[in-house]
Amino acid sequence: QLQLQESGSGLVKPSQTLSLTCTVSGGSIRTGLYSWTWIRLPPGKGLEWIGCVYQSGNTYYNPSLKSRVTISVDRPNNQFSLNLSTVTAADTAVYYCARGNGNNRDYFDYWGQGTLVSVSS
Amino acid sequence: QSALTQPPSASGSPGQSVTISCTGTSSDVGRYNYVSWYQQHPGKAPKLMIYEVSQRPSGVPDRFSGSKSGNTASLTVSGLQADDEADYYCSSYAGSNNHYVFGTGTKVTVL
Repeated sequence: QLQLQESGSGLVKPSQTLSLTCTVSGGSIRTGLYSWTWIRLPPGKGLEWIGCVYQSGNTYYNPSLKSRVTISVDRPNNQFSLNLSTVTAADTAVYYCARGNGNNRDYFDYWGQGTLVSVSS
Repeated sequence: QSALTQPPSASGSPGQSVTISCTGTSSDVGRYNYVSWYQQHPGKAPKLMIYEVSQRPSGVPDRFSGSKSGNTASLTVSGLQADDEADYYCSSYAGSNNHYVFGTGTKVTVL
């Protein structure tokens, strides 16, 4: 059974960079045409797709966040990571990693439990 | 790219049915048959309930069904059970520029 687990700092100061890692177990990040995806849930709001990376290293980002987001894949460690720069309070959210399945027309079939990231001085 | 519009809340008694709408545009829901639905209990990860408008993943009860007409997709939960009480989100593929957009979320209450 595939499992995903987020890790990283739960508190980030304004203007700094948010960094999270998702560790995938029970399957290889190298197999298939899956996207490895970050999604967030701000308090009191709906889900927001942040972006994704494929095992090839190709990345796609939400246009509204593109200037601040970097997603990368670490194949040997079966992990992928999110960096979000110049954060503000609006970036406070529960951040989820997920697997996208659908050959570039994805639905998200496996999710991590989520990690709360607060932006505060 | 704006979020898909869902009603904030919906409710029904045990055994009844509830239908949640998800309204987008001709650039997302109306253009592509790649609408998915997710159930989220408080403090838990979202769970995939429907994909490609009406397909159910293995293990999801057939009480959950999906459909689409024009720019609006719908999720129907039949035979409501207490455990169906949760937040529900839709999502749609939105093309190669915007990729994926989610709905605003609907809280389903079982009365």
